[in-house]
Amino acid sequence: GESVGLHLPTLSVQEGDNSIINCAYSNSASDYFIWYKQESGKGPQFIIDIRSNMDKRQGQRVTVLLNKTVKHLSLQIAATQPGDSAVYFCAERGRSNDYKLSFGAGTTVTVRA
Amino acid sequence: KAGVTQTPRYLIKTRGQQVTLSCSPISGHRSVSWYQQTPGQGLQFLFEYFSETQRNKGNFPGRFSGRQFSNSRSEMNVSTLELGDSALYLCASSPRTGVGNYGYTFGSGTRLTVV
Repeated sequence: GESVGLHLPTLSVQEGDNSIINCAYSNSASDYFIWYKQESGKGPQFIIDIRSNMDKRQGQRVTVLLNKTVKHLSLQIAATQPGDSAVYFCAERGRSNDYKLSFGAGTTVTVRA
Repeated sequence: KAGVTQTPRYLIKTRGQQVTLSCSPISGHRSVSWYQQTPGQGLQFLFEYFSETQRNKGNFPGRFSGRQFSNSRSEMNVSTLELGDSALYLCASSPRTGVGNYGYTFGSGTRLTVV
């Protein structure tokens, strides 16, 4: 069956360092992936997305990498700031699950000053 | 433009009662999906509505139901509440559905506590 998971439930990062959050997925037919950030008391907020025909996409301070060979997705945050402290979710969708978004368990990122 | 609006933000209900939650999507968005978020299970898909029709349903009991109105606003209802229904209920709005859907915007959620 399909599942989307994150390698580590928590990540502690020094302010100014780069962060890497990982996600493994099992559905090789997934065609679209999204990273969300969820701050306390708020709903998930879109960060960046990538389609399966790409292997890298960059945004402002964030980069998503997709490795379809090993079914791995990562989110890189450059120069991590205190405002980056949140829970990060990866989500995937594909034809096999009728294009519903399926979410991983989340990684809690804490930025140390 | 206005984001996804969910009301109410917080609810406290007693076991056995029923509850109705509301979601107003982004203007022009026709798809509304509902998710349940709990610490143990994460984000679980409940259902999706598109053009007033339920397009998809997750693995939840029949106590969970929903509907969508002609203005795309959606409601979800939970009957005969159980303690385990305590969760954050999130609504996600999208312009399209299916393979052409690349935009999901979440509301801030309704925090339901069942006592």
